[in-house]
Amino acid sequence: GAVVSQHPSWVICKSGTSVKIECRSLDFQATTMFWYRQFPKQSLMLMATSNEGSKATYEQGVEKDKFLINHASLTLSTLTVTSAHPEDSSFYICSARAGANSYEQYFGPGTRLTVT
Amino acid sequence: DQQVKQNSPSLSVQEGRISILNCDYTNSMFDYFLWYKKYPAEGPTFLISISSIKDKNEDGRFTVFLNKSAKHLSLHIVPSQPGDSAVYFCAATSSMTTDSWGKLQFGAGTQVVVTP
Repeated sequence: GAVVSQHPSWVICKSGTSVKIECRSLDFQATTMFWYRQFPKQSLMLMATSNEGSKATYEQGVEKDKFLINHASLTLSTLTVTSAHPEDSSFYICSARAGANSYEQYFGPGTRLTVT
Repeated sequence: DQQVKQNSPSLSVQEGRISILNCDYTNSMFDYFLWYKKYPAEGPTFLISISSIKDKNEDGRFTVFLNKSAKHLSLHIVPSQPGDSAVYFCAATSSMTTDSWGKLQFGAGTQVVVTP
């Protein structure tokens, strides 16, 4: 089946620093990847849609200058949390869609970010 | 506003019995629905989906029922097994626009506990 990996699986950083999270589709090419965040005991909230070779589109209320997304290849998208603050601490999950006509998404294992 | 709702935060069921998870939606433009299973600190795993042209889809122990007029869907797991203990998310998307296609709106999730 389709496999999506994320790296790192967890990261602790100091307030004010930046953190990069990678999302890779291992056995298929993903024209579109999505980034979600999940707070404890809450649902997954879509942050942005990442299309290969073009700018990401952000959901309402998500700061694009704070959450930088790059989708440079068909198998890799990165999310950089810039100038992280404790309120950015969350579980970040990416997903990948294999084709433009597909509605099914395959999720990565997630990255736990803790900002101290 | 929450367009996909799972009103039962938890469900406890005995091993071997049926688990029934419910999901309601408000957006009449949704036409594809998916169920995901999630363990703590992991990404969601796709279980089963259904399009609005059907009212039932079955895959092994999992069956999803869709009632479009009531904007309601349910997931039946039969028989329930201890390994089914996880959080189950209902998700929906719309093919009506290119912007909405593939973007998943998630419910809040239902924690299922299967007891021996």
